[in-house]
Amino acid sequence: KAGVTQTPRYLIKTRGQQVTLSCSPISGHRSVSWYQQTPGQGLQFLFEYFSETQRNKGNFPGRFSGRQFSNSRSEMNVSTLELGDSALYLCASSHLGEQGPFGQETQYFGPGTRLLVL
Amino acid sequence: DQQVKQNSPSLSVQEGRISILNCDYTNSMFDYFLWYKKYPAEGPTFLISISSIKDKNEDGRFTVFLNKSAKHLSLHIVPSQPGDSAVYFCAASGNQFYFGTGTSLTVIP
Repeated sequence: KAGVTQTPRYLIKTRGQQVTLSCSPISGHRSVSWYQQTPGQGLQFLFEYFSETQRNKGNFPGRFSGRQFSNSRSEMNVSTLELGDSALYLCASSHLGEQGPFGQETQYFGPGTRLLVL
Repeated sequence: DQQVKQNSPSLSVQEGRISILNCDYTNSMFDYFLWYKKYPAEGPTFLISISSIKDKNEDGRFTVFLNKSAKHLSLHIVPSQPGDSAVYFCAASGNQFYFGTGTSLTVIP
C-alpha cells in the first residue's frame, strides 16, 4: 500500500496570509490526525478527523482548522499566519475500530509539510 | 502540560553498544505506548509498541520495557548501529496520541 502523502512538501508564506495543506491517508484508513512540530516542542496535536467529523482537538487557536472529505483525504488551513506558525506539519493516519479512538491502533505519518512564515 | 516526557534531549553511544532511551508519562489511563524514529526531513516512522497489559515487547534489536507503577517506559537498542542515529519519540495513547519532545540518538562508528 502507498503511504501517507502530504502536499506541498515545502511552503513559504508571509505574515497575514492563509495556507492550506493536504493529506492523503493510507488506503482504508479513516482516521487522520494533524500535528505541529517545532524545535524543542515535540509533536503537538492539532486535531483528528474520522469519517468527516472532527473527533478530537488540541489546544490551538481557531486560526487552525481542518476538514476531511468522504474519501478520507484531509486538509488543514491556517489563517492569518504568524511568524510562530513556522513549523513542520505532520499528518498521520490510522485504521480505527468503530468502538472509539485509537485503542491499540498505530498511527502512520506522512513526510510532512515544512511551512516557513516570513 | 506535557503528559509524556523525554528528559534527555540527546544521547551518544558507541557502535555495538546498547542504547537506552527513556520516557515518562503522567496519566495512568494510557494503555498503549509507541516509539517512533524520525530522520531529518522525513515523517516519524513507527518502530515498536507495547500494550499496558505487558511489560516487555521485543522486535529484533529493539525492545521496549514498560513499568506501569513508575509510569516509565524505555527503548533498548542492541547492538546499536550508525543507521540508528535519529530522533526517537515516545508516544502514549489516550483519547489522542501524546508525544514526547524526542531524544536525538547518535551512534558513533
